[in-house]
Amino acid sequence: NAGVTQTPKFQVLKTGQSMTLQCAQDMNHNSMYWYRQDPGMGLRLIYYSASEGTTDKGEVPNGYNVSRLNKREFSLRLESAAPSQTSVYFCASMDPRADRAPNYGYTFGSGTRLTVV
Amino acid sequence: GENVEQHPSTLSVQEGDSAVIKCTYSDSASNYFPWYKQELGKRPQLIIDIRSNVGEKKDQRIAVTLNKTAKHFSLHITETQPEDSAVYFCAASIKWSTLGRLYFGRGTQLTVWP
Repeated sequence: NAGVTQTPKFQVLKTGQSMTLQCAQDMNHNSMYWYRQDPGMGLRLIYYSASEGTTDKGEVPNGYNVSRLNKREFSLRLESAAPSQTSVYFCASMDPRADRAPNYGYTFGSGTRLTVV
Repeated sequence: GENVEQHPSTLSVQEGDSAVIKCTYSDSASNYFPWYKQELGKRPQLIIDIRSNVGEKKDQRIAVTLNKTAKHFSLHITETQPEDSAVYFCAASIKWSTLGRLYFGRGTQLTVWP
């Protein structure tokens, strides 16, 4: 049981390049989320998906796109990377209805450290 | 939407002392309040949570309290140890919502000096 798997772990991009961050979960969770973490700013929501085929914007969606292709996978795409997108990106998943589950709440992936130069 | 404020942003304590981190929230509909610990270079991990029908919850050296009237909740760590050093995040959400989105505070860097 791998939980939430993110790839890659590290990436360096040049300004203007594109890339896709991959996230997959094997916990049969309906909801998935992409956050970015910057020093002193906490965790800010980029996009989220309540179910397969649906996505919505979070607090900081500009410059990003997402795809929820199936229940397991939720990818984040940077079409034209900018230095302001240098950050650590976390994917998370959750089943909001699993109230009695022992670990109710988010399960995070291990993160992707992205540097845009 | 929900707004979660967290204080202090940094906290230094001597080993064995207690540490308290406080959070406030704005949406009275919020009813689920988890706390996450993030060690350097690692992912955030859930350490304890509290639901709105409970005022206090303990798990060994950590405890959370919730005051729904005042809309604030706190994390208490007793007998701190160097391995407690980490960034701690509070969060709030509306349980039972179809999304389950968590709104996070900005984090507290806790340093425990031996």
